[in-house]
Amino acid sequence: KQEVTQIPAALSVPEGENLVLNCSFTDSAIYNLQWFRQDPGKGLTSLLLIQSSQREQTSGRLNASLDKSSGRSTLYIAASQPGDSATYLCAVWWSSASKIIFGSGTRLSIRP
Amino acid sequence: GAGVSQSPRYKVAKRGQDVALRCDPISGHVSLFWYQQALGQGPEFLTYFQNEAQLDKSGLPSDRFFAERPEGSVSTLKIQRTQQEDSAVYLCASSPGPTQETQYFGPGTRLLVL
Repeated sequence: KQEVTQIPAALSVPEGENLVLNCSFTDSAIYNLQWFRQDPGKGLTSLLLIQSSQREQTSGRLNASLDKSSGRSTLYIAASQPGDSATYLCAVWWSSASKIIFGSGTRLSIRP
Repeated sequence: GAGVSQSPRYKVAKRGQDVALRCDPISGHVSLFWYQQALGQGPEFLTYFQNEAQLDKSGLPSDRFFAERPEGSVSTLKIQRTQQEDSAVYLCASSPGPTQETQYFGPGTRLLVL
């Protein structure tokens, strides 16, 4: 069964710290992997999309890596700010599937 | 340009009522997706349209759920005889092409069934 897991479910760190969010997935035959941000009561905002042939993508203070062989992706956030507080969701599209599967998210809180 | 919009943003229904949720995708986007998101969980796939064709409805939880996109743009998700377990946020997303691309999400409709 194709599944996406995110651990921990919640994380609280002081402002300014660098941090890593983890995502693991079963079945390495993925098409792409995407990281989203969700603010309370809002929809999802796409942060980074990594194609299966890529190892990482960067946007500003965010860097996402992909290791298909181990079934893992990480989202690195540098110099965290209170505005980074949100739920971060990892989603995988497998090559054999016609739908995207989400993890349950990591709720991140940055303390001023 | 305008993003994906959904209406209503909030809906309270009595158990047994029928509800209709609307999604306006980004103009010209070929693919449209519906998701159901329970509190504290990630979105779960319900159904997928490519233009007006519903290519995958495997995620619809029961035959009380029905979705349509008759002209390949606006889509409606209808839930008949609502039950308390239908309470969730219903998210709509669209993407430009027919394949696995970045999806653009609307703000969602929060449905509460009493």
